[in-house]
Amino acid sequence: SQTIHQWPATLVQPVGSPLSLECTVEGTSNPNLYWYRQAAGRGLQLLFYSVGIGQISSEVPQNLSASRPQDRQFILSSKKLLLSDSGFYLCAWRHSGGGETQYFGPGTRLLVL
Amino acid sequence: AQSVTQLDSHVSVSEGTPVLLRCNYSSSYSPSLFWYVQHPNKGLQLLLKYTSAATLVKGINGFEAEFKKSETSFHLTKPSAHMSDAAEYFCVVRYGGATNKLIFGTGTLLAVQP
Repeated sequence: SQTIHQWPATLVQPVGSPLSLECTVEGTSNPNLYWYRQAAGRGLQLLFYSVGIGQISSEVPQNLSASRPQDRQFILSSKKLLLSDSGFYLCAWRHSGGGETQYFGPGTRLLVL
Repeated sequence: AQSVTQLDSHVSVSEGTPVLLRCNYSSSYSPSLFWYVQHPNKGLQLLLKYTSAATLVKGINGFEAEFKKSETSFHLTKPSAHMSDAAEYFCVVRYGGATNKLIFGTGTLLAVQP
């Protein structure tokens, strides 16, 4: 069966510091991968998605970037965090061969102080 | 353009009473609709989905939702609430063709009173 992992689970970082959040998927090949952010009291906003290694699409201009160095690894990064980057970050995957359901990871809670 | 509106930000029910979480959608074509649940500090779990098959969709944990095209609604219901149902619920519409992008509602926080 497929599983999706995210780490760290919780992160507290000072403003201006770098960020690296990791997401990995097991049990499937060539998944579509997604990064979402959930700000307090709001729904989820799609940040990035990837249909393959090295292929990243950005949905909104922002202080963040994403990379996919391996088939089942998706990384969210920032060179300098802003206070507004605080939130709950969720990674999701979907079968690339079809199917509309996205499966979500446990999330990373980021607090920028 | 596709969008979803969750009509209630908070719903409170007593244990054993029915649950109704309301969702209206906007879509330029026949939509795919989902309900996800999120327990505190957890990821999202799929409850059920509608993808143009039966209009009454049954999900996990006794939840179901009915797709009503005439009302552009996809309300989530459960006959009898349990304490473990307390969580946040998101109505979601799919768009984006092959990339399968999802648009999330702002969520409804369900409280279940003993």
